[in-house]
Amino acid sequence: EAGVAQSPRYKIIEKRQSVAFWCNPISGHATLYWYQQILGQGPKLLIQFQNNGVVDDSQLPKDRFSAERLKGVDSTLKIQPAKLEDSAVYLCASSFMRGGTDTQYFGPGTRLTVL
Amino acid sequence: SQQGEEDPQALSIQEGENATMNCSYKTSINNLQWYRQNSGRGLVHLILIRSNEREKHSGRLRVTLDTSKKSSSLLITASRAADTASYFCATDADDYKLSFGAGTTVTVRA
Repeated sequence: EAGVAQSPRYKIIEKRQSVAFWCNPISGHATLYWYQQILGQGPKLLIQFQNNGVVDDSQLPKDRFSAERLKGVDSTLKIQPAKLEDSAVYLCASSFMRGGTDTQYFGPGTRLTVL
Repeated sequence: SQQGEEDPQALSIQEGENATMNCSYKTSINNLQWYRQNSGRGLVHLILIRSNEREKHSGRLRVTLDTSKKSSSLLITASRAADTASYFCATDADDYKLSFGAGTTVTVRA
């Protein structure tokens, strides 16, 4: 079974530029998550999709971050404009069902460096 | 804010020894999960323990949960070099999402 795919793996940009990350979850998984992991910290949930609808985006900085999940499969996370404090690893995860009782499968992440 | 806090922040042990790390959390939970993250990789689910369970085993892993103290522990027995990683606890409260702690970094020396 293929795992969660993410691209790119690494990205370096200047502050105020924009950037987009892509995630392809495990086939058949209804729930998709985007996490931000700052160095030395645990992952922080940014947004959670159930199929193609948003169920939680309470910690997404909506003035600069946006995400979509077209047709309930792939998802993109965008940052525009980026700030220095956005430097982090962005992790995508998916689970078969919604909720904390279901195992989440993580992708390898995208390491973003904002200069 | 993060719900769980792991202790210690870092741990260095000799191959073959046991490693124990703890997780404390603040609010009542439905379940608690432990994940492992190898350097530069995504997280891998290790084990889930429900709020009505006190102990769970999976291979060389043993997890305990004390809901009265709002704490959990993860024991790795007979450690190997491949166990070198960061370990995170994650709690599921009533909002159907996971809150991760800051993690414990474990180094297993050969």
